[in-house]
Amino acid sequence: EAQVTQNPRYLITVTGKKLTVTCSQNMNHEYMSWYRQDPGLGLRQIYYSMNVEVTDKGDVPEGYKVSRKEKRNFPLILESPSPNQTSLYFCASSLTSAGEQYFGPGTRLTVT
Amino acid sequence: AQSVTQLDSQVPVFEEAPVELRCNYSSSVSVYLFWYVQYPNQGLQLLLKYLSGSTLVESINGFEAEFNKSQTSFHLRKPSVHISDTAEYFCAVYTGFQKLVFGTGTRLLVSP
Repeated sequence: EAQVTQNPRYLITVTGKKLTVTCSQNMNHEYMSWYRQDPGLGLRQIYYSMNVEVTDKGDVPEGYKVSRKEKRNFPLILESPSPNQTSLYFCASSLTSAGEQYFGPGTRLTVT
Repeated sequence: AQSVTQLDSQVPVFEEAPVELRCNYSSSVSVYLFWYVQYPNQGLQLLLKYLSGSTLVESINGFEAEFNKSQTSFHLRKPSVHISDTAEYFCAVYTGFQKLVFGTGTRLLVSP
């Protein structure tokens, strides 16, 4: 089954404790993105990647890092999480830059 | 910068009634437009898209949207809604480099 998987689905952590949210897709897609969803703000792009080892900032990259060492994986790293990063995070992939984006199920992160 | 406006944060409607969810965008260049749907506790799924050609696009479950260049709109309509259409709907515009700008979402609430 074609899908985007994210782990964990739920995470509660404390300020400053480094964490990684994994994202993997099995569709051989070139393009991958991370978004955060906040009430009243819709989805905002954090980072995106056009290919292995090619990443770039989206609209809200501060406090986040990403890497794309393999085509299928695109982890999101929070080196020192803060409470304002409490949000619902989605990973997405697409075959082409303007194509349909396939979203993962989301990761709900709470930083206390 | 391109932006998307969804003026209605919530639209309550009775089952079998028609509905229109409004979306306006700002752009000085050609655009690709999308509607995504998010059912409770799930990721986003593509509902329909406009890339080029006919300005009226349809989904498999009865929704349609019309691209209106002069009014910079891409409103979503359905002539008769079902309870199962209850979800949040996001309009999005593709800006290039896999940058998809989302609106803030409209929550459609269908009641019996």
